[in-house]
Amino acid sequence: DAGVTQSPTHLIKTRGQQVTLRCSPKSGHDTVSWYQQALGQGPQFIFQYYEEEERQRGNFPDRFSGHQFPNYSSELNVNALLLGDSALYLCASSLDSYNEQFFGPGTRLTVL
Amino acid sequence: AQRVTQPEKLLSVFKGAPVELKCNYSYSGSPELFWYVQYSRQRLQLLLRHISRESIKGFTADLNKGETSFHLKKPFAQEEDSAMYYCALTAAGNKLTFGGGTRVLVKP
Repeated sequence: DAGVTQSPTHLIKTRGQQVTLRCSPKSGHDTVSWYQQALGQGPQFIFQYYEEEERQRGNFPDRFSGHQFPNYSSELNVNALLLGDSALYLCASSLDSYNEQFFGPGTRLTVL
Repeated sequence: AQRVTQPEKLLSVFKGAPVELKCNYSYSGSPELFWYVQYSRQRLQLLLRHISRESIKGFTADLNKGETSFHLKKPFAQEEDSAMYYCALTAAGNKLTFGGGTRVLVKP
């Protein structure tokens, strides 16, 4: 089991563009959470998906949206990119809500 | 609102010396507390959680509800302990709220 995988590894976009990041959970996990980690800061919770529905959401604008597929993989979409969206985006998976979260390696997004 | 504070950005200690990473939290209910670690070029991983009351890699952490703290300690630091450490809590579901992190540098 490769654990949680994320793609792409790095991404460069310009302001106003849209981006889609992808996450495949650890085998057997059904819950996916997304976090944004700005340089020098701890990860911040964006939202969590379970059974293809958004179950919890952090303090992020509607420009951030997501999706979970029947195979539990997930996408994070960000519209109208701002310079401040430059960060490492982490995906974490778990078996339902109350078990340990396993993190992926992250996608480094740079907005120019 | 949930908040986690790690007052030290950087801790530098010599090999064999004790190390203590401070973590304070604010939450009105009964949260679950964690320490996560990120070694160089590796992904974020769970080090320990307070409900398990385990010692992992020689590290221990005690939850002090009166002081709302969850400090991480190790009596004898090793060079392989050099890493970034994050304190985190969860209260509703398993949304994690992280502190800003402490970089630990263990010098030979």
